[in-house]
Amino acid sequence: QKEVEQNSGPLSVPEGAIASLNCTYSDRGSQSFFWYRQYSGKSPELIMSIYSNGDKEDGRFTAQLNKASQYVSLLIRDSQPSDSATYLCAVKVWDAGGTSYGKLTFGQGTILTVHP
Amino acid sequence: EAQVTQNPRYLITVTGKKLTVTCSQNMNHEYMSWYRQDPGLGLRQIYYSMNVEVTDKGDVPEGYKVSRKEKRNFPLILESPSPNQTSLYFCASRVTLDSNQPQHFGDGTRLSIL
Repeated sequence: QKEVEQNSGPLSVPEGAIASLNCTYSDRGSQSFFWYRQYSGKSPELIMSIYSNGDKEDGRFTAQLNKASQYVSLLIRDSQPSDSATYLCAVKVWDAGGTSYGKLTFGQGTILTVHP
Repeated sequence: EAQVTQNPRYLITVTGKKLTVTCSQNMNHEYMSWYRQDPGLGLRQIYYSMNVEVTDKGDVPEGYKVSRKEKRNFPLILESPSPNQTSLYFCASRVTLDSNQPQHFGDGTRLSIL
C-alpha cells in the first residue's frame, strides 16, 4: 500500500462548481498535511496546510482533515479554469517524541480540469 | 527576490558520465531537499538536509549523492547516471524542517540519460 494515495483523475468539473480532491495516508504518525498545486511544466506551490482535525478555510479553498479515518481533502469552491492543474497531497511524519523524520511524502497527484 | 535556483534546467547526457545538478537558495534556509518527479508516481524525496553537514536519505536515494558544505548550496550528484534516472528533478528549501512556513521549490531540472 502506498503511503499517500490520491485518485489520479483526471477530475473534470464545470466552471463555478465545487471541486473535491481526496487523499488518504497510511502512517498514523502523520501530523502535518499539505496541498500543493502544480501547473504543467512548473514547480509545485503550497496552497494549504492543515495540522489538526476539522476544516481550514482560505479564500475559495477548504482543507478537511480526519485523522481517525486517515483522510485529508481539498475543496475548491467556485472553480475557475485557472484552477486547472495537478494537485499534490503531502504528508510529514513525526515520531512519538515529536521529532520529524525529515521526510515529506507526496501522493501521485490528481489532475483537475475546470471547463468553461 | 527569495528564490531557489537550479542549474542546469535541461540536460541530455549518456550513461555513466558523472553529472552534478546545482541548487542554491538565498533565504538562509536550514532545510533543503531533492525530489524527482515521474509520471504516475508523484514527487519522491531523494535526499534531504537539516543543516550544514547534516544529510539523510529520502525514499529513493540509490544512485545519488549529495553534500551540504554551505547553508545555501545543496548539489545533487549522479556518479554514474543510468537511463532509469531520466526524470524531472526539483530542489526545495524551507526555513527549518519543523517550520510552518512553506517549502520553496526551484524551477526544476529535466534530465535525460541515454
